[in-house]
Amino acid sequence: SYELTQPPSVSVSPRQTARITCSGDALPKQYVYWYQQKPGQAPVLVIYKDTERPSGIPERFSGSSSGTAVTLTISGVQAEDEADYYCQSADSSGTYLLFGGGTKLTVL
Amino acid sequence: EVQLVESGGGLVQPGGSLRLSCAASGFTFSRYCMSWVRQAPGKGLEWVANIKQDGSEKYYVDSVRGRFTISRDNAKSSLFLQMNSLRAEDTAIYYCAGLPDVWGQGATVTVSS
Repeated sequence: SYELTQPPSVSVSPRQTARITCSGDALPKQYVYWYQQKPGQAPVLVIYKDTERPSGIPERFSGSSSGTAVTLTISGVQAEDEADYYCQSADSSGTYLLFGGGTKLTVL
Repeated sequence: EVQLVESGGGLVQPGGSLRLSCAASGFTFSRYCMSWVRQAPGKGLEWVANIKQDGSEKYYVDSVRGRFTISRDNAKSSLFLQMNSLRAEDTAIYYCAGLPDVWGQGATVTVSS
């Protein structure tokens, strides 16, 4: 079955740049959405359609896409960015949705 | 204010049934394809099912197909998930979502004897 692959964890120091990747064979055909989830809270959309940032999301969050991989970049990481991050997309037909396994971002 | 409020969660024995409801407000519910997304304790997000705007098409993850049924009532801005033949592995927080940008706070379902 189709899967989206994310690294389980990423660690960065404050003010550094964090990059979280998401890979999947159908990504050239399907948009990717990125969510931030903090403990005990519902997910929050931080990037949609690969590269777009919703209103209210800080400019330090950005997305990029290249072939079968997409990347969430957080520039100038702050302590408040420590959270789990999930990518979400669809299979090649666009019918079935799925999430990546999630990446725990630790701010050292 | 855009809001989704889930209800109907609780403790149920294996093999039992439960019906989740989700009340929407603050946006045009009938324009959204709606989903249920779950998260088992300490685990990641899992898409469970979705339903098109007019209810004509419904899709499910393999693990729940044939046991869960998603439905909606656009007149009442409500989404539902009927869960039958529940298993321990269905234990999770169930989120109602208008992906990608509208999420509820979740309803907890615990399947245990």
